[in-house]
Amino acid sequence: KAGVTQTPRYLIKTRGQQVTLSCSPISGHRSVSWYQQTPGQGLQFLFEYFSETQRNKGNFPGRFSGRQFSNSRSEMNVSTLELGDSALYLCASSLEPRAGNTIYFGEGSWLTVV
Amino acid sequence: ELKVEQNPLFLSMQEGKNYTIYCNYSTTSDRLYWYRQDPGKSLESLFVLLSNGAVKQEGRLMASLDTKARLSTLHITAAVHDLSATYFCAAHSTSGNTPLVFGKGTRLSVIA
Repeated sequence: KAGVTQTPRYLIKTRGQQVTLSCSPISGHRSVSWYQQTPGQGLQFLFEYFSETQRNKGNFPGRFSGRQFSNSRSEMNVSTLELGDSALYLCASSLEPRAGNTIYFGEGSWLTVV
Repeated sequence: ELKVEQNPLFLSMQEGKNYTIYCNYSTTSDRLYWYRQDPGKSLESLFVLLSNGAVKQEGRLMASLDTKARLSTLHITAAVHDLSATYFCAAHSTSGNTPLVFGKGTRLSVIA
């Protein structure tokens, strides 16, 4: 079966611009989480969604936002991009949150801010 | 607040040797995950450990969970070069509606 699909895979943006990243979870999975990965900070939690509701939000500024649609697909948006937002953004999906199911990660979206 | 610590952070080991990566977490957890990440790639799920004393094995990797000690281990048996990667553990706290928290990862290099 298809895995977690993230688009775009690579993108370069200029400071001050905004970006939208998309995630399609595995079919039947209703829980979607987003993580930011950088060499210095490691994997940091951004958001968690389940059935279109945000269950958790990480310690990121309000420039970072997200949402989940009725088909479980999710998007995250970063506005007013800063150089420090350059990172690998990973989306993860599972059947339900905290149920002990395997959590699958997508290939990620590599964002470079210049 | 749940904190997850892995050690060592860097590990260089010879082919054929055994070694263990340790994952300690600060508050009670009932779900412990191990992932592998190759350079430039995403996270590949290795194990999900759900109860005290749980042990799972896949090939040369074996993971275990001791919830009383708040410790999980990933044991590597007779390492081969293909196991070179970064290994992450992650945990869910039992208290509250908290997200998955990751350790900083252990970068493993297996050399001939």
